Amino acid sequence: DSGVTQTPKHLITATGQRVTLRCSPRSGDLSVYWYQQSLDQGLQFLIHYYNGEERAKGNILERFSAQQFPDLHSELNLSSLELGDSALYFCASSRDRDRVREQYFGPGTRLTVT
Amino acid sequence: DAKTTQPPSMDCAEGRAANLPCNHSTISGNEYVYWYRQIHSQGPQYIIHGLKNNETNEMASLIITEDRKSSTLILPHATLRDTAVYYCIVIGGGTSYGKLTFGQGTILTVHP
Repeated sequence: DSGVTQTPKHLITATGQRVTLRCSPRSGDLSVYWYQQSLDQGLQFLIHYYNGEERAKGNILERFSAQQFPDLHSELNLSSLELGDSALYFCASSRDRDRVREQYFGPGTRLTVT
Repeated sequence: DAKTTQPPSMDCAEGRAANLPCNHSTISGNEYVYWYRQIHSQGPQYIIHGLKNNETNEMASLIITEDRKSSTLILPHATLRDTAVYYCIVIGGGTSYGKLTFGQGTILTVHP
C-alpha cells in the first residue's frame, strides 16, 4: 500500500459525459501528478501540482483539467468524453516540488467510455 | 532527459537472481537513474535510484557503470510476485523535474 488513494476504482460512462477522478496523496506529500495509461500509449504524464499550484503540464487535452485543493487532494476532470479516453488513470505523490524524488502511485481509476 | 534502452522481455527462475540491464548512453552529469515496476494494472512502484554509486535497498541493488552509460537492476532472489514490467528512467534537470517518462520497459517473467 503506497498510501495514495484514488476514487472511484472503476467508472463506466457514455461518450460526451463528464467525470471527476479524485486523488488523496500520502500524508506530508505536497506534489500530486496525474498519468494516463492506455493500451496503445503506455504511461503518459498529464499534469503536476505542488501545494495547490500547477507546476508542469504534459500531454493533457484541453477537455481535461485538474486542480489541487488546500487539503492537498486533487481532482482530474474529464469532459466531452470520447471512446479513446478509456484508460487507467493514476495519480502519484511526492514530497518535493522540483527535485527528483521517488513518486508513490495510487491504485488507479479504470475509466471505460462506451 | 536521456533516452533509455531495455530488452523487451526476460525470464528468470524463482529463487535465482534477476539482472535487468538498461542502456542510457546519453545520460548527462546531473541525471539520476530510477527504476520502477508495474505489476499487471497496478500503480507503478518505485524500486531504487542512483546517480553514480551502486545502491542497495530492501528490494534490489542498482549497479551503475563507471561511465554511467548503463546500469543493471538486480533482484537477488526473484519470486513469482516479482513478475512485472520494469522501467528504467533517467531524469534530472530543467523542467523535467518530477515528471516521469515511462518507456516500454522489460517484461520480467519469473517461473517456478
